[in-house]
This record gives sequence, structure tokens and C-alpha cells, in this order.
Amino acid sequence: QQQVKQSPQSLIVQKGGISIINCAYENTAFDYFPWYQQFPGKGPALLIAIRPDVSEKKEGRFTISFNKSAKQFSLHIMDSQPGDSATYFCAATMDSGAGSYQLTFGKGTKLSVIP
Amino acid sequence: NAGVMQNPRHLVRRRGQEARLRCSPVKGHSHVYWYRQLPEEGLKFMVYLQKENIIDESGMPKERFSAEFPKEGPSILRIQQVVRGDSAAYFCASSPNTGQPGNTIYFGEGSWLTVV
Repeated sequence: QQQVKQSPQSLIVQKGGISIINCAYENTAFDYFPWYQQFPGKGPALLIAIRPDVSEKKEGRFTISFNKSAKQFSLHIMDSQPGDSATYFCAATMDSGAGSYQLTFGKGTKLSVIP
Repeated sequence: NAGVMQNPRHLVRRRGQEARLRCSPVKGHSHVYWYRQLPEEGLKFMVYLQKENIIDESGMPKERFSAEFPKEGPSILRIQQVVRGDSAAYFCASSPNTGQPGNTIYFGEGSWLTVV
């Protein structure tokens, strides 16, 4: 059972445009929602994260919008640049017991920003 | 994050052999997670360890897989009698304490296992 659904699978955006990636979750016990950026051959790196008591968080060109009632959250990348081309993963976490905050990941979105 | 060191970066094993993947966490971190990433898939949790203790192994396959994080030395993910379906990227992550929301978890660059 996939607990975090991510779309689209791939995305092509013109330089300077807005990239939007959406995620939906099922488990209402999730209490922290990070986004990770992964370049080919590298490990995921934390980009930005949000808690469910906040509807929006912005860090530079990256914004998370969170809709708790709809159990959805999205990543917006403003003024997208070719250097943003990477795979983006949404994730969710909760204490699954014994202090284990394992991350549940979406399947990823491959973003290509073209000049 | 360069602070989490994984080796080998690439490993080729024949079916039936054993694979050992090592992870040295960021200096001072005592909590380690292992995740597996299949092609075109997101990462999936395998196991969470603290020094000398397995805290949560709910994502580990019941057979052939084991993990340890000894008092001294790196964490090791061991896969016995590998099969083609074990081909994946295995990522280690570390944190200074529990991965509670707000505590950044740092991922290594992964170990790519290919079973032929």
C-alpha cells in the first residue's frame, strides 16, 4: 500500500517558469513532511520541510503548500533554473514506535528545466 | 551529504553470493537508518539502529538481510544469498539523535548493488 502518492512522474519546465509537484498522503498520523532533492548518483538531500499546523512555508525559491483537510501538499519552485534539474521526492514521517521516525517516500518526480 | 560515507559505491555480486554494505555516519551521530531504492522508485525504509541496538527493523525482509551497528566501526547491511531482485541502491542516513521532526537526517551517496 503506497502511503504517499506523488505526481507527476516527470516534469519539463522552461527556465524561469514555476515547477509544481504534488503529493497526497493517507495516514493522518504523519506529522512532518519533508521534500528531498536527488541528483543522479547521489543521495537525497533535504530541501525544505513543513509541519501540518502550518499551511505554507517558503525558503528562497522553494515553497511548500500544505492542505491538511485534503491530505495534500505540494512543492513550488519559482524561477526554475537548469541547476534545479533533479529528482524530487516528497516524504512523510511519524513516530512508528520506539522513537523510529522512518520516512515514507513518494516515488519521485524527475524535473528537467530547459533553457 | 558527504559526511555519511558509504562503501563500496558500486558492488557486483553473482546470485547466491553475499553482499556487505558499510556505512560510517557523520562524526558524532549515533543513529543510523538504511533505505533501499529500486529503479524508478522512491526510497523504502529498511532498518533503524542505534549503537549496538536494532530499534526498528520493520522494513527488513525476513530472510537473508541483517544489519548491525557495533560500538566501534561502521554500520553494516548484510545480504546473504543475493538474488536479482536485490539489485538496488542502498542508502544509509544518520542523525545525531532520533529522527524526530526537525532533526535533519543526512543521507550518504548510496551503494549500488547489481546482482548478475
